[in-house]
Amino acid sequence: AQKITQTQPGMFVQEKEAVTLDCTYDTSDPSYGLFWYKQPSSGEMIFLIYQGSYDQQNATEGRYSLNFQKARKSANLVISASQLGDSAMYFCAMREGWPGGGADGLTFGKGTHLIIQP
Amino acid sequence: DTGVSQDPRHKITKRGQNVTFRCDPISEHNRLYWYRQTLGQGPEFLTYFQNEAQLEKSRLLSDRFSAERPKGSFSTLEIQRTEQGDSAMYLCASSRTSGRADEQFFGPGTRLTVL
Repeated sequence: AQKITQTQPGMFVQEKEAVTLDCTYDTSDPSYGLFWYKQPSSGEMIFLIYQGSYDQQNATEGRYSLNFQKARKSANLVISASQLGDSAMYFCAMREGWPGGGADGLTFGKGTHLIIQP
Repeated sequence: DTGVSQDPRHKITKRGQNVTFRCDPISEHNRLYWYRQTLGQGPEFLTYFQNEAQLEKSRLLSDRFSAERPKGSFSTLEIQRTEQGDSAMYLCASSRTSGRADEQFFGPGTRLTVL
């Protein structure tokens, strides 16, 4: 079974609109971390935001926020006021046994290709 | 503050040849990760070092793959007897033990093409 599922292969959004990128995850570990990365056409992965499984509040970083619904095992990324420079691939990732243990690498989803239109 | 660097950025080789990639992490980071990314997929974890110790290896890392991190600084990933299926982007990331999220910072990657 897929540990990270991103159901939107591609999205087109008008500039300045808010956009939600979906991510669901599967784990039986009570401790885990969820990450979102942006990958522009240049190829470099850029860290955006982190949510720990024990965090009481949804994470926010500037225009990025994470809509964390633990019971539904979903961790959607919300980008407010989208900009042309937001066009990129976006990956959701999970790290099990974190914090407090677990040194494995991240497990990534297949990504969503976001295109912002002027 | 320099980021993670990787060399070379591109490598074209013939099937059966050996290739070696280098990764220089962010200087204060003690953890180093290697990932492989094929077209249309997210990165897949290959292996992980804490300082010079290799602590985790994925099933994806066949016997043809070997990674080292001498002295806990830069790391090398070698692929012996390359196959066409090895064609991918090889990404290196580093992080430090402290920090709540231990977020991994990625390098620009080495794109390998095996002919």
